[in-house]
Parts: sequence; C-alpha cells; structure tokens
Amino acid sequence: KQEVTQIPAALSVPEGENLVLNCSFTDSAIYNLQWFRQDPGKGLTSLLLIQSSQREQTSGRLNASLDKSSGRSTLYIAASQPGDSATYLCAVRPRSSNTGKLIFGQGTTLQVKP
Amino acid sequence: EAGVAQSPRYKIIEKRQSVAFWCNPISGHATLYWYQQILGQGPKLLIQFQNNGVVDDSQLPKDRFSAERLKGVDSTLKIQPAKLEDSAVYLCASSPLRDGNYGYTFGSGTRLTVV
Repeated sequence: KQEVTQIPAALSVPEGENLVLNCSFTDSAIYNLQWFRQDPGKGLTSLLLIQSSQREQTSGRLNASLDKSSGRSTLYIAASQPGDSATYLCAVRPRSSNTGKLIFGQGTTLQVKP
Repeated sequence: EAGVAQSPRYKIIEKRQSVAFWCNPISGHATLYWYQQILGQGPKLLIQFQNNGVVDDSQLPKDRFSAERLKGVDSTLKIQPAKLEDSAVYLCASSPLRDGNYGYTFGSGTRLTVV
C-alpha cells in the first residue's frame, strides 16, 4: 500500500531564506509526483508535476526533484517571501491504479516571517 | 477559463442529518473527482467519474455516502446520515483526461462541520 509522508509538518523561516521541503513515498511504482500549494480556505493549486522518467522540474523560484529509486522528492524554494506562506502537499499517482487517483502526504505548513 | 465551482462553501449540521454538496467542473473536463480532507491530513480520494460513469469508488463509505454525475457534467455528493467523523473539507477536482496526466484543477472546497 502506497504511503506518502512529508517532513517537517510545520516550518517557520525568515524572509529571504532558501528552504527545502521533503516528501517520501513507500512504493517507487509511480507515474508521476506533484507538488501542490493550499492556502487557508482555498483549494489546491498545482505547482510542479514530475513524470517518473524525469529528475526535476523548475518554475520560477521553485525547483522540485524526484529520486524514484529512493522514494524521495524535495521542493526547493529560493529566496522565500511572506507570500509563500501556505501548506505544501506532495502527491503521487501510483502505477497500481490506471485512474487519475492521487495519494497525498499530510502537508508541510510554511510560515515566512517578514 | 472559469475554475471548478463548489457550493456551499460552509455547512454545519447535526449528526444523523443529511447533507449534499455540488460541483461544476471546468467545461470540457471529462474526469471529475471528489476528495475528503480531514483537518491536518492530506486529501483522500472518495470517487472518480469519467463522464457519467464511476471509475473508482473503492474508498467511498457506501453505507452513507453517495455521488452522481448526471449527464457527465456537474456532480453531487451526499452524506446520509452524517457522523461526527465526516467533519472535513470536501474538494472537487476535474481533469481533461482519465489519468490526470495533464493536471488537476481543484475547487475551493466545502467545509463540513458535524456537531
């Protein structure tokens, strides 16, 4: 059974700092891995999607890496800003399902202090 | 492009009552999902529709939860009777394809509190 874990559960950093969020999954048989952002009272916004054949994806100040063999992904945020404060969720699409089902971690809540 | 619309935004009910949530996906998206997100946890898939057919409902508590997507467009999720542990945010999402490979778009969710 695929399980996704995110560490830490919460993180507080001063503005301008570079930071890394971690995600691990138990079964390497995945189609892809996605990172989402969730603001309070809002839905999820997709940030980056990494296919299983890829090693990383970049969008602006965000860089996500994927090491499928070790079951790990990281989300790197450069030069953090207060507007980055949100909960970040990673999710995998398992090969055990031929549907679009995603299995999510519990999220990391990030606070960036001005 | 309009996003995924959900209503209501908030709902408070007493246990054993019934409740229904509505979702209108992005126009043209064949696949619609309902996820349940309990406070402090990641979302969990309840049901996936492809057009008006059910693709995956393996984690839907069928003794109390039901969902339909008539005409393959909007969808309703119903809980009857509600339990305290059903308190959660119910998220609807849609994608163009069955496998979700071109990404998901989530709605803002309905926050349900059962007292």
